[in-house]
Amino acid sequence: RKEVEQDPGPFNVPEGATVAFNCTYSNSASQSFFWYRQDCRKEPKLLMSVYSSGNEDGRFTAQLNRASQYISLLIRDSKLSDSATYLCVVTGLDDKIIFGKGTRLHILP
Amino acid sequence: NAGVTQTPKFQVLKTGQSMTLQCAQDMNHNSMYWYRQDPGMGLRLIYYSASEGTTDKGEVPNGYNVSRLNKREFSLRLESAAPSQTSVYFCASSDYGGKETQYFGPGTRLLVL
Repeated sequence: RKEVEQDPGPFNVPEGATVAFNCTYSNSASQSFFWYRQDCRKEPKLLMSVYSSGNEDGRFTAQLNRASQYISLLIRDSKLSDSATYLCVVTGLDDKIIFGKGTRLHILP
Repeated sequence: NAGVTQTPKFQVLKTGQSMTLQCAQDMNHNSMYWYRQDPGMGLRLIYYSASEGTTDKGEVPNGYNVSRLNKREFSLRLESAAPSQTSVYFCASSDYGGKETQYFGPGTRLLVL
């Protein structure tokens, strides 16, 4: 099993729809979890940290499921500007940082 | 604040040439990182510096060297460039370690012929 796995997509979703991504991780001792967003030919930028209790920021909701070892990202009422690649990041006890390969999202007008 | 800056933005090298990629951050962060990003491979850690004066290998360190010049600056050197090192290189910094948010520079696009 790969350390961090994401569905590469692309997800083609009509504007206004709800879309969800999952990211699975193999190390049960992983400590910190993040979602980053990367626009085409740009650097990654933090979208959200993922907390054990789950967290929400506007239209974005992140969840952590430690038992099944995955994190999720839900985007409600999607906008054209949400089109990007979404990167899952997991950090272990030893501070080892692993990036997923990313999920590409295209919001269709 | 400029955040994380990288130079150069683009570079073309011939096989065997050497070059240094520069990175600087003005956020007073302790930790700095160098990644490469290749199509279909995601971001892979080359080297990192948890704090000033320390450097450690990441997932793909072969063919690279780093220097943490001071708290602000972290450079990446290719001693003898190879076509396999054609990639986009990102520098990042965080307050302390991988459990904190990382802030990325705009990247350096390197082509090795």
